[in-house]
Amino acid sequence: NAGVTQTPKFQVLKTGQSMTLQCAQDMNHNSMYWYRQDPGMGLRLIYYSASEGTTDKGEVPNGYNVSRLNKREFSLRLESAAPSQTSVYFCASRRQGAATEAFFGQGTRLTVV
Amino acid sequence: GENVEQHPSTLSVQEGDSAVIKCTYSDSASNYFPWYKQELGKRPQLIIDIRSNVGEKKDQRIAVTLNKTAKHFSLHITETQPEDSAVYFCAAIKNDYKLSFGAGTTVTVRA
Repeated sequence: NAGVTQTPKFQVLKTGQSMTLQCAQDMNHNSMYWYRQDPGMGLRLIYYSASEGTTDKGEVPNGYNVSRLNKREFSLRLESAAPSQTSVYFCASRRQGAATEAFFGQGTRLTVV
Repeated sequence: GENVEQHPSTLSVQEGDSAVIKCTYSDSASNYFPWYKQELGKRPQLIIDIRSNVGEKKDQRIAVTLNKTAKHFSLHITETQPEDSAVYFCAAIKNDYKLSFGAGTTVTVRA
C-alpha cells in the first residue's frame, strides 16, 4: 500500500518548456488535489477533483491544466513553464465525505530557469 | 472561494511552554477544520481535526477549539518538546471537497 505517489521528485525546466506531473493513489479515494508550496505562502490550491470525471479550479489555476485520468490518477500539466512556477508541488487525496483526512504525496520540487 | 488566514507566521517558544496558533475562515459553509504538521523536507500530515458541530477537541498535548460565530479556530500545544518544531497548517473544507490551507506557522521550540 504505497498511498499517494508523485513523479518525478525533482525537475528542472527551461522557460517555455512543458511537462506533466503525475500523481496516483491506491487508497480508492474519490477526491484528489494539487497544491503548490512557496515560502511564506503555505499550501495554495491549484486544482481539485471531487470525483472521477470532475475537476475544479482552486485559488491559483492560471498556467496549469489537470486531467483526472481515472479514479487513481490525477495529473498536472504546465504548458509553457515560467520562473514564477518554481515551487514544490504536492498531490493529495481524500476519501469522500466532509471529515476525512487528506494524504499527501512526497512532493515534486520544480525549478524553472 | 474560501480564504483561510493564519497567525502568527513564526512562533518561538521555550521547551515546556505552550504554543497557540490562530486561524480565521471566511465562508460559513465550511464544515471541517483539520490541522497538519510538516517537518522539514517531509509531506504534511494530519495531527488533529474538528467538525463544525464541535467546540473543542483534545488529543494528549494538542487541542483545537472552534468558534463558528466568529469563524475562527485555534491550535493549542501544551508542554512543548523539541519534536514539536515544524510548520503547522490550518485548513478548512467547503462543500465536502474544497480543501484550503492557511499560510502556515513555523514553530521553533528552544531547549
